Amino acid sequence: DAGITQSPRHKVTETGTPVTLRCHQTENHRYMYWYRQDPGHGLRLIHYSYGVKDTDKGEVSDGYSVSRSKTEDFLLTLESATSSQTSVYFCAISDGQVTGGYTFGSGTRLTVV
Amino acid sequence: SQQGEEDPQALSIQEGENATMNCSYKTSINNLQWYRQNSGRGLVHLILIRSNEREKHSGRLRVTLDTSKKSSSLLITASRAADTASYFCATDAGGNQFYFGTGTSLTVIP
Repeated sequence: DAGITQSPRHKVTETGTPVTLRCHQTENHRYMYWYRQDPGHGLRLIHYSYGVKDTDKGEVSDGYSVSRSKTEDFLLTLESATSSQTSVYFCAISDGQVTGGYTFGSGTRLTVV
Repeated sequence: SQQGEEDPQALSIQEGENATMNCSYKTSINNLQWYRQNSGRGLVHLILIRSNEREKHSGRLRVTLDTSKKSSSLLITASRAADTASYFCATDAGGNQFYFGTGTSLTVIP
């Protein structure tokens, strides 16, 4: 998707290992979000950022941390991956103008074995 | 949870027919948006309706909002095979955060 990239696209990791997912934007948008998508649950907000070094928790933040040291990068870290964190993770950005909605990345499919 | 709920969960129609999907939510909102997700891709923003609006159109899309019933509907007219996707509503309760529903999976049969 234009202006936002997620890496990696796919990852398999072992239980107990730390994992970091990266979201990079070229739109200079203030707001960035991490969601997870699971069957039957839709998209659930994990963490979001409203500026450099300004982050807050979403509804499913346990076991996750984030960092935003630059406007363009928002990192999501699974401190010690568990099988319940197997999911598809989406990053989204917004300039705060609601009319434009969010722009989503293509997602990272994470499997914890 | 502040999530919305879409209904039906799955919908299958013939090309050319209209598709209607509904979204119900729990709390007062500022705005409601609809998104489309093609298989294996991220979500794409379709349309936004504000809490003081009742109906909005964009091309073949028509969205209605009934704040008294806390519900919205998305109508896709003259559907095409390319409309096959999942559709999500997202509600804004303030703070520039949107809460997404569980989605309606639409299949348009050529």
